[in-house]
Amino acid sequence: QQPVQSPQAVILREGEDAVINCSSSKALYSVHWYRQKHGEAPVFLMILLKGGEQKGHEKISASFNEKKQQSSLYLTASQLSYSGTYFCGQGSGGSNYKLTFGKGTLLTVNP
Amino acid sequence: ETGVTQSPTHLIKTRGQQVTLRCSSQSGHNTVSWYQQALGQGPQFIFQYYREEENGRGNFPPRFSGLQFPNYSSELNVNALELDDSALYLCASSFTGGAGANVLTFGAGSRLTVL
Repeated sequence: QQPVQSPQAVILREGEDAVINCSSSKALYSVHWYRQKHGEAPVFLMILLKGGEQKGHEKISASFNEKKQQSSLYLTASQLSYSGTYFCGQGSGGSNYKLTFGKGTLLTVNP
Repeated sequence: ETGVTQSPTHLIKTRGQQVTLRCSSQSGHNTVSWYQQALGQGPQFIFQYYREEENGRGNFPPRFSGLQFPNYSSELNVNALELDDSALYLCASSFTGGAGANVLTFGAGSRLTVL
């Protein structure tokens, strides 16, 4: 089952904050966040691992609640460049590592 | 460091034909995964190749097959194309063998249209 993302879409003005949520019906080994702009490759933003380890970029933060099987991505003081579709992917763990992605959240930042 | 490159970027085929998509992985990576992304959807895992062997497969029929070469580049082959195969095909490379979870580096994809 794929994770469920909310909201499906959000429109911001430059400088505003946003939170994107990702919920799973199965135990999470890891959560990955990617951003994809139209016609471009998905770009890695953040990994959150079971046990609390995080790897990612400085200007983006995220949380991972293992008990609730949820993750949230926090975008603060949004910039025009933040526009795009954000995907969360749940990691399967193990040697044949794969990601199951949600349907995405379309973020639009206007001037 | 070079990123992931895919070719061709766009192609049009007719139902029943066969297609081969190619991917060069990022320098230093040894694993390649292929994803299918339908319009308005998230990427869906097709399969992964590591050490030139298939190392995990998603819910795709056997007419989807692949190869990985000694230089870690990869091909995705789809036989007997169907209309529903129209999608963006993304290749992602990663390094298997380090500590922690793998970070995927995606290519920009190959847009396949089946008429």
